[in-house]
Amino acid sequence: DIVMTQSPGSLAVSLGERATINCKSSQSVLYSSNNKNYLSWYQQKPGQPPRLLIYWASTRKSGVPDRFSGSGSGTDFTLTVSSLQAEDVAVYYCQQSYDTPRTFGQGTMVEIK
Amino acid sequence: QVQLVQSGPEVRKTGASVKVSCKASGYTFSSYRISWVRQAPGQGLEWMGWISGYNGNTEYAQKFQGRVTMTTDTSTGTGYMELKNLRSDDTAVYYCARDPESFCGIDCLTNDYWGQGTLVSVS
Repeated sequence: DIVMTQSPGSLAVSLGERATINCKSSQSVLYSSNNKNYLSWYQQKPGQPPRLLIYWASTRKSGVPDRFSGSGSGTDFTLTVSSLQAEDVAVYYCQQSYDTPRTFGQGTMVEIK
Repeated sequence: QVQLVQSGPEVRKTGASVKVSCKASGYTFSSYRISWVRQAPGQGLEWMGWISGYNGNTEYAQKFQGRVTMTTDTSTGTGYMELKNLRSDDTAVYYCARDPESFCGIDCLTNDYWGQGTLVSVS
């Protein structure tokens, strides 16, 4: 199984400041035939299902604010919230869809400092 | 619009079974698998497996093999997840989500839509 490791486990950031979350996979999730990284980022607020924010490591889903961005390739990935807003308080998960079982990181809780 | 609507909360005793449904609408059912993901209280997300909306093929996470059965009813566009021999640590919110078949195309995304979740309590 591909193990996804996120860091940090929690993060407190001031409003308007940058939040950065890292995700590392135990093997590459880059599919060579199309040069796409099968890595997604989700946001989950209490009592709600996860919401897809970023797919293919860096493509923002339609409707997601542009303060959310993803980067990385191979085994190392980053989700950045460029200017944290109050509504961004949530738990963020990475997930690989390169292989089954689909595996998630353990989550990063983002709070306001 | 795409929707995945799940059945309501369930309470079971240990050793019993539970069957959760996920009714899909707003897209071509056969172009996607239905994945099942669970989340224990205060914990992270755990992928349980999926079933193809195209041919009914299943793949289960090793942890659940022998206890989980996923099925579909293509006439209604509904997926089902049955978990048997329940234990207290199966208490969780169970989510369905859609995951594209390989032939779905470049615009088809993994887990872009989720059900609202079904709380299964086991005691």
